[in-house]
Amino acid sequence: GQNIDQPTEMTATEGAIVQINCTYQTSGFNGLFWYQQHAGEAPTFLSYNVLDGLEEKGRFSSFLSRSKGYSYLLLKELQMKDSASYLCAVRDTGYALNFGKGTSLLVTP
Amino acid sequence: GAVVSQHPSWVICKSGTSVKIECRSLDFQATTMFWYRQFPKQSLMLMATSNEGSKATYEQGVEKDKFLINHASLTLSTLTVTSAHPEDSSFYICSAIGTSGIQETQYFGPGTRLLVL
Repeated sequence: GQNIDQPTEMTATEGAIVQINCTYQTSGFNGLFWYQQHAGEAPTFLSYNVLDGLEEKGRFSSFLSRSKGYSYLLLKELQMKDSASYLCAVRDTGYALNFGKGTSLLVTP
Repeated sequence: GAVVSQHPSWVICKSGTSVKIECRSLDFQATTMFWYRQFPKQSLMLMATSNEGSKATYEQGVEKDKFLINHASLTLSTLTVTSAHPEDSSFYICSAIGTSGIQETQYFGPGTRLLVL
């Protein structure tokens, strides 16, 4: 079966750094994705990890530890527009993604 | 970048009618497309995987006779909700496989919001 856990909600201040954690237990592993989703819109791709370590892309970084079944998304220099839901998704076999329930991030002034 | 479109973006229909949703990859060929459903405040749930020229693979619990999927070309997949009922009201999102570097990234369409009265 698939089990992907992430916090339901988080709040952070504009300009700060926030880390969103994701743990997973899946029958197979072929990569972990992070997506951003604003209310009423489709998800947009943020990052992809398949090997252990940190992937940095501008203000966003994503980390993966396959042995621990753990990933985090790090957002730096938070902006108000970063308020959104952040979805952790694991690809087990093939190309289909299994999504966590998402973390709703609220950035406050 | 890879662009996926969906049409319509909004649809309101009466109970018992059928609704067709189109998903198109605009600037790349997609051999595989996926259909997801998202209820309010919940995550995306995979409904089916659609491969061009072959029958779709449905996830457990998804009725293939109710949710008809046709992937007739490398740029178009359609989802038809047959005999729609109010409980089918949801946000339907398609995605298509694109190539981004060494990984096969799913690019999502903008979604179709279905309301069945």
